[in-house]
Amino acid sequence: SQTIHQWPATLVQPVGSPLSLECTVEGTSNPNLYWYRQAAGRGLQLLFYSVGIGQISSEVPQNLSASRPQDRQFILSSKKLLLSDSGFYLCAWSARTVVVNQPQHFGDGTRLSIL
Amino acid sequence: DAKTTQPNSMESNEEEPVHLPCNHSTISGTDYIHWYRQLPSQGPEYVIHGLTSNVNNRMASLAIAEDRKSSTLILHRATLRDAAVYYCTPYNNNDMRFGAGTRLTVKP
Repeated sequence: SQTIHQWPATLVQPVGSPLSLECTVEGTSNPNLYWYRQAAGRGLQLLFYSVGIGQISSEVPQNLSASRPQDRQFILSSKKLLLSDSGFYLCAWSARTVVVNQPQHFGDGTRLSIL
Repeated sequence: DAKTTQPNSMESNEEEPVHLPCNHSTISGTDYIHWYRQLPSQGPEYVIHGLTSNVNNRMASLAIAEDRKSSTLILHRATLRDAAVYYCTPYNNNDMRFGAGTRLTVKP
């Protein structure tokens, strides 16, 4: 069966510090990968998605970046965090098939607090 | 983007059926209707999805209106573990967008 792992579960960082959140998927190949942010009491915001190694699409201009160095590894980074970067960050995967609109499967998230 | 409207909250008694409504009147012809649920401090969990026909799986049933402008998630026998925030979303093109969802409370 497929599993998705995100770490760390919680993170407290000072303003201006760098960030690296990692997500890995097991049990599937060539997945679509996604990073979302969920602000408290609000819906999901798609940040990045990737359909393959080295292929990243950015949905929202910001000081965050994403990389996909391996097929099942997706990394969210920042060089200098802002207070507004606080939130619940979710990684997700979906099967890449000819059938579009496959369900997305989410990790348990990283709660990021910027002080 | 298609906008969804869901009740803020609903209550159910344990072992009774629950019908969670969702309006998505601006849905496009190629959007599927997806339902997810989320427990506190956890990621969303996929529940069910469909395009036009009603769908059943081990977790729930999805009833889709003939004009596709609304849908209803049906939990046939609610359990305490079904207490969560439920999101419906028209979904297409890799962008999963949730609204505020419906907070379901299940009373023993």
